[in-house]
Amino acid sequence: AQSVTQLDSHVSVSEGTPVLLRCNYSSSYSPSLFWYVQHPNKGLQLLLKYTSAATLVKGINGFEAEFKKSETSFHLTKPSAHMSDAAEYFCVVSYNYGQNFVFGPGTRLSVLP
Amino acid sequence: GAVVSQHPSWVICKSGTSVKIECRSLDFQATTMFWYRQFPKQSLMLMATSNEGSKATYEQGVEKDKFLINHASLTLSTLTVTSAHPEDSSFYICSARVGGSAYNEQFFGPGTRLTVL
Repeated sequence: AQSVTQLDSHVSVSEGTPVLLRCNYSSSYSPSLFWYVQHPNKGLQLLLKYTSAATLVKGINGFEAEFKKSETSFHLTKPSAHMSDAAEYFCVVSYNYGQNFVFGPGTRLSVLP
Repeated sequence: GAVVSQHPSWVICKSGTSVKIECRSLDFQATTMFWYRQFPKQSLMLMATSNEGSKATYEQGVEKDKFLINHASLTLSTLTVTSAHPEDSSFYICSARVGGSAYNEQFFGPGTRLTVL
């Protein structure tokens, strides 16, 4: 069975410091992996996706993630946090050509001034 | 490209009434559409999967007679919450998928906030 673990339910960083949001997955297939961001009372916005091309994926707003098969991880990073990054972040594993999307429980990112 | 819309974006209704939410793929044909539900401070939970022209497949624990799904065309799916009660208040999000092996993602709508009084 496919599953996604987001190790931290809440991460708090100071503005201007690096962000690390962790994601580990379990998949019997070669997965596609996604990170989405959700601001309060808003829908999902795609940050980036891994679909078996380059293992280091660059996304929008300065975010990037590295696919590490040996560690079954797809951690999300950003060098310098902005106040506007405060939101909920979801890691997703996709299989069966997008027919099945498995969401992680989410990590809430707080950015302190 | 790959834009999905939902209407309405929010709705308030009285207990016992029915509410219909529309999900449209604006610039592509969606072979499959999905309906998710999200409670406050929780992740998305898949409610059902629908393919155009066929009956929806509901996840375990989702009442198919309460949450009616119609996928009448390749660009439109509707979710009707029948006889709504306060516990049905939630954020409902649809997504759409393009068929074929070249695509492996779902495109999400902006969500509909349902409040049942």
